[in-house]
Amino acid sequence: QLQLQESGPGLVKPSETLSLTCTVSGGSISSSSYYWGWIRQPPGKGLEWIGSIYYSGSTYYNPSLKSRVTISVDTSKNQFSLKLSSVTAADTAVYYCARHGFNIVATFDYWGQGTLVTVSS
Amino acid sequence: EIVMTQSPATLSVSPGERATLSCRASQSVSSNLAWYQQKPGQAPRLLIYGASTRATGIPARFSGSGSGTEFTLTISSLQSEDFAVYYCQQYNNWPPEVWTFGQGTKVEIK
Repeated sequence: QLQLQESGPGLVKPSETLSLTCTVSGGSISSSSYYWGWIRQPPGKGLEWIGSIYYSGSTYYNPSLKSRVTISVDTSKNQFSLKLSSVTAADTAVYYCARHGFNIVATFDYWGQGTLVTVSS
Repeated sequence: EIVMTQSPATLSVSPGERATLSCRASQSVSSNLAWYQQKPGQAPRLLIYGASTRATGIPARFSGSGSGTEFTLTISSLQSEDFAVYYCQQYNNWPPEVWTFGQGTKVEIK
């Protein structure tokens, strides 16, 4: 059974960089059939797609966050990571990692449990 | 950016009754529409993709319909475990320009 697990600091100071890692187990991140994405959800609000990465390193980002986001992959560790720079209180959210296919099956079918990141001094 | 609008914001339904949730896209997304269920403190769970195809393990009481800009999720007979928030998501473009979610519909016990 595929499992995804987010890890990283739960508290980040304003203007600093948020860094999270997603560890994939029960399957290979190097599968040719899937991308790996990040989605976030501010407390009490809806979902926002941040971006996605393929095992080869090909990335797609939400234009609204593109200038601040970097997603990378480490196939040797079966992990992918998110960096979000210059954070503000508006970046406080539960951050999820998830798997998705592409083309007509580009839906998020496996999710991590999510990790709350609070931006505060 | 394609804006997804869900209605109603909250739906009060008695157990055993039918629930009908709506999702409207600001422009056509063909059938590239998914529905997710989210319970408090949990990650979303994929219910429906391709507007009408149930994901693996999803009970038959969940059904999706629609295409273009108007979509519906129907839960034929609500069970206690179905009370949750439901989100629609469009994934109309590949490669993705921006994928967007609706704001959610909360299905609560009447």
